[in-house]
Amino acid sequence: EAQVTQNPRYLITVTGKKLTVTCSQNMNHEYMSWYRQDPGLGLRQIYYSMNVEVTDKGDVPEGYKVSRKEKRNFPLILESPSPNQTSLYFCASSLGGPGQGPQHFGDGTRLSIL
Amino acid sequence: KNQVEQSPQSLIILEGKNCTLQCNYTVSPFSNLRWYKQDTGRGPVSLTIMTFSENTKSNGRYTATLDADTKQSSLHITASQLSDSASYICVVSAGVGNNRKLIWGLGTSLAVNP
Repeated sequence: EAQVTQNPRYLITVTGKKLTVTCSQNMNHEYMSWYRQDPGLGLRQIYYSMNVEVTDKGDVPEGYKVSRKEKRNFPLILESPSPNQTSLYFCASSLGGPGQGPQHFGDGTRLSIL
Repeated sequence: KNQVEQSPQSLIILEGKNCTLQCNYTVSPFSNLRWYKQDTGRGPVSLTIMTFSENTKSNGRYTATLDADTKQSSLHITASQLSDSASYICVVSAGVGNNRKLIWGLGTSLAVNP
């Protein structure tokens, strides 16, 4: 089954404790991206990757890092999480570049930073 | 400024009724327009993608229209079902090639009551 898998689905942690949210897709898609979704603000792009070893900032990259060492994986790293990063996070992938084919989304990771 | 506005913000209808959701955009240059359905606690799922030359596209009981002259799109849901309860998000792709960017609306929250 074609899917985007995120882990963990839920995480409660404390300020400053590094964490990684994993994302994996099995559709051989080149383009992957991370979004955060907050009430009243909709989805905002954090980082995206056009292909292996090619990443770039989205609209709200501050406080986040990503890497793309393999085509299928695109982890999101919070080196020193802060309470304002409490949010619902989505990973997405698509065959073409941004705005071309439909994006396939994971089921989300709900992060609470205390 | 690239912008996507959706109306209404929320809507309640009875099962079996039809409804229409609106999306107005100011985006340049326009590439395509998508509608996504997002169930509570899940990632968005693509319903339709329309390019400049397409003015109607259907996906089962969902029919999207696009008027590129007035920069308006609508999503019509026919014979609503309880499972249609979700947030419906309009997304417009702006730009060309790998410089495309997705502009997300804030969504319309639809509740279908028995």
